[in-house]
Amino acid sequence: QVQLVQSGAEVKKPGASVKVSCKASGYTFTDYYMNWVRQAPGQGLEWMGWMNAKSGGTKNAQKFQGRITMTRDTSISTAYMELSSLTSDDTAVYYCARDGAGGRELDPWGQGTPVTVSS
Amino acid sequence: QSALTQPASVSGSPGQSITISCTGSSSDVGGYNYVSWYQQHPGKAPKLMIYDVSNRPSGVSNRFSGSKSGNTASLTISGLQAEDEADYYCSSYTSTIIFGGGTKLTVL
Repeated sequence: QVQLVQSGAEVKKPGASVKVSCKASGYTFTDYYMNWVRQAPGQGLEWMGWMNAKSGGTKNAQKFQGRITMTRDTSISTAYMELSSLTSDDTAVYYCARDGAGGRELDPWGQGTPVTVSS
Repeated sequence: QSALTQPASVSGSPGQSITISCTGSSSDVGGYNYVSWYQQHPGKAPKLMIYDVSNRPSGVSNRFSGSKSGNTASLTISGLQAEDEADYYCSSYTSTIIFGGGTKLTVL
């Protein structure tokens, strides 16, 4: 079955960067886009960006312009999201989510990676 | 783009039906049939329940249905069950994705 397994929890200091991984299995990695979504404590979902797993092309939400980098290693079917210049406002659970069969929905999702930014 | 507007909370008794609204604009919800709905239980990842306004993924109960009128999409859950208690989020795709603020469903 299609599965996305993310890396473990991270604790970072303000100003640092974090890199979250998302290993895909059960499908051809390069056939689908990968999205990144975050959720701050007690808050709603926030879309961060998507990456074309075949070409490596990306598009991100304007809010993260200049701070987010999405990459992939097709040899190990793994997508990565790196967020730089962290502040306490970046404390959240970060999810990877594959485009669904229709191409405009997110299905399935990874289990989430908690990131805490604290001095 | 601004977040889509959802009611903060809705509630219903077991067996009843409830509807959650999701209001956007002609640039997102009203302009495309790319509205999705996600269910999220506490501490869990979201799960796709409806896509392209009214399509159910394989494995999702037919108690869940979606519709759209103008700039407002709706999720209806019929025959409410205790396990339906969760947060529900709508989203709209327009080359980027915007989410609604989420609705907490309480089954009384």
